[in-house]
Amino acid sequence: DARVTQTPRHKVTEMGQEVTMRCQPILGHNTVFWYRQTMMQGLELLAYFRNRAPLDDSGMPKDRFSAEMPDATLATLKIQPSEPRDSAVYFCASGSPQGWGTEAFFGQGTRLTVV
Amino acid sequence: GIQVEQSPPDLILQEGANSTLRCNFSDSVNNLQWFHQNPWGQLINLFYIPSGTKQNGRLSATTVATERYSLLYISSSQTTDSGVYFCAVERDDMRFGAGTRLTVKP
Repeated sequence: DARVTQTPRHKVTEMGQEVTMRCQPILGHNTVFWYRQTMMQGLELLAYFRNRAPLDDSGMPKDRFSAEMPDATLATLKIQPSEPRDSAVYFCASGSPQGWGTEAFFGQGTRLTVV
Repeated sequence: GIQVEQSPPDLILQEGANSTLRCNFSDSVNNLQWFHQNPWGQLINLFYIPSGTKQNGRLSATTVATERYSLLYISSSQTTDSGVYFCAVERDDMRFGAGTRLTVKP
């Protein structure tokens, strides 16, 4: 079953706590994207990786967010310390090369609530 | 960075009606995709369409890369078509438009 798997699906945490979100890309895909979705900002690109190398994380607040890809089957997004304004749905997408571009497929997202 | 504009922002249809959604982008792109976000929040691939025309059932899409726009056609709409439709363009990275929220009424 080729799909992007994100865990956890829901997370409620207290302000100041560390949050780790995980993503298992589709086997064989070489690109991973992290997005955050809020009502106000829509879908914002936080970071993306190609062949496990970070290509762009300019959309990520560097002081508290970090994204890594320790191996080809796992991507992580960490927030430390978390703040109420981080409440959002975080999506991971994995992609495979198609011609000049990348066809991306999304996971079901992690709904984060920081109280 | 590249700008992506979608129109209309909201669309209400009666079941059975047809509609056209538009996506304009500000620069040349390597790729364009259309997604449907259903009421449960899931983002579903509709089309990978950097240029040309594709059809899948009642849905079709056309991208005119030289004029920097793409159109998504929905024919004979059904209530299950409701949700938000996004286009995403890839150049240096992949950026989304703000979406078109479609409501199909029975």
